Amino acid sequence: QSVLTQPPSVSGAPGQRVTISCTGSSSNIGSGYDIHWYQQLPGTAPKLLIYGNTNRPSGVPDRFSGSKSGTSASLAITGLQAEDEADYYCQSYDSSLSGSVFGGGTKLTVL
Amino acid sequence: QVQLVESGGGVVPPGRSLRLSCAASGFTFSTYGMHWVRQAPGTGLEWVAIISNDGSNKYYGDSVKGRFTISRDNSKNTLFLQMNNLRPEDSAVYYCARDMPPTITLFCCDYWGQGTLVTVSS
Repeated sequence: QSVLTQPPSVSGAPGQRVTISCTGSSSNIGSGYDIHWYQQLPGTAPKLLIYGNTNRPSGVPDRFSGSKSGTSASLAITGLQAEDEADYYCQSYDSSLSGSVFGGGTKLTVL
Repeated sequence: QVQLVESGGGVVPPGRSLRLSCAASGFTFSTYGMHWVRQAPGTGLEWVAIISNDGSNKYYGDSVKGRFTISRDNSKNTLFLQMNNLRPEDSAVYYCARDMPPTITLFCCDYWGQGTLVTVSS
């Protein structure tokens, strides 16, 4: 049971928009700690996609965007492409654990 | 370019120890905090530990506290993870990752290595 809760899977057709939620609590997202998102393609290491809730590292397409509200955060992907098929993870800091926590991950399937 | 290369993984019986290394290049290692993150086969990411840039501060995930020790040698641009009293549930790919500067955000891994596999089995 992860401290941050993500849906196990989402899917969408090419060109569509999908969102992945990340629900936390008052000891992590709700306390104002930043959310980060990672993309993990099959057989590869995770790659930073969004940091500090809404910021994209250089090289990440603007089809990817992040938002945060209350004890939840979301990753949105617009103009879905076949190469977006991957696992996506959210991450934050948790004050009750004095450490970082990841969500359980969401598998995105492009139909 | 930033490069992180892990080594030291392998097969080890339960109760034994293993030391992982992560060789860093392409950036000023001594100015960045560093993480270890692991991923058991077919499962999600689990944060293991973080060490500050000068090694003075270390934090651990609950599942490894008291058994694992994170350390670094800034003169050799190398990060370590000493793993003692290993359990089968410690079997995973272990990634080292660079921490984004705390002036930007907290506990964010901006660059990752390719990982090294640890299997704890008799």
